[in-house]
Amino acid sequence: GQSLEQPSEVTAVEGAIVQINCTYQTSGFYGLSWYQQHDGGAPTFLSYNGLDGLEETGRFSSFLSRSDSYGYLLLQELQMKDSASYFCAVEVGGSTLGRLYFGRGTQLTVWP
Amino acid sequence: NAGVTQTPKFRVLKTGQSMTLLCAQDMNHEYMYWYRQDPGMGLRLIHYSVGEGTTAKGEVPDGYNVSRLKKQNFLLGLESAAPSQTSVYFCASSYHPQAGVETQYFGPGTRLLVL
Repeated sequence: GQSLEQPSEVTAVEGAIVQINCTYQTSGFYGLSWYQQHDGGAPTFLSYNGLDGLEETGRFSSFLSRSDSYGYLLLQELQMKDSASYFCAVEVGGSTLGRLYFGRGTQLTVWP
Repeated sequence: NAGVTQTPKFRVLKTGQSMTLLCAQDMNHEYMYWYRQDPGMGLRLIHYSVGEGTTAKGEVPDGYNVSRLKKQNFLLGLESAAPSQTSVYFCASSYHPQAGVETQYFGPGTRLLVL
């Protein structure tokens, strides 16, 4: 089976930097994705790592270490609108390519 | 371009009743998915489809059935609703993963309450 661990809650102040970690145990690992979900809204795609290293998209960056089964999402210059839940999700290869297994989510609260 | 749409947005059922949730996408995506989201549980895959006429089970398929008769539509059925099926249901779609695009696009969700 697949299992993912991420912190349930993180708090930070506006302008700060926050890192949300995700560790996973899976067979046939293919890639790690991150999704954002505001209260009452739908998940939206943020980032994907298929290879080791850092992917940067504006204020958000995501990192993957396949050897450590570990990734993180880095949010810089935090804004109030970044308050949301963040989910890591692993994609497994083979016949189930395309399927995502989601973590339970990290609730980020940004304070003024 | 509406993206992924879901019908209805909200529904209340009594135990034992049946209903169908409709998901439609206008992005010509091959893959479609049905998830349920419960507090503290993240998103769990119910069923998915890798193309028109094909379906497969996900992590929590019991009590649900699906059909993909047209590429743009993916239906989720509850034959005999139970209170344990009270949840928020999300539909998602994506390009064929071998196309190298990994994004899943989600619909706005359907909130289902089973009494």
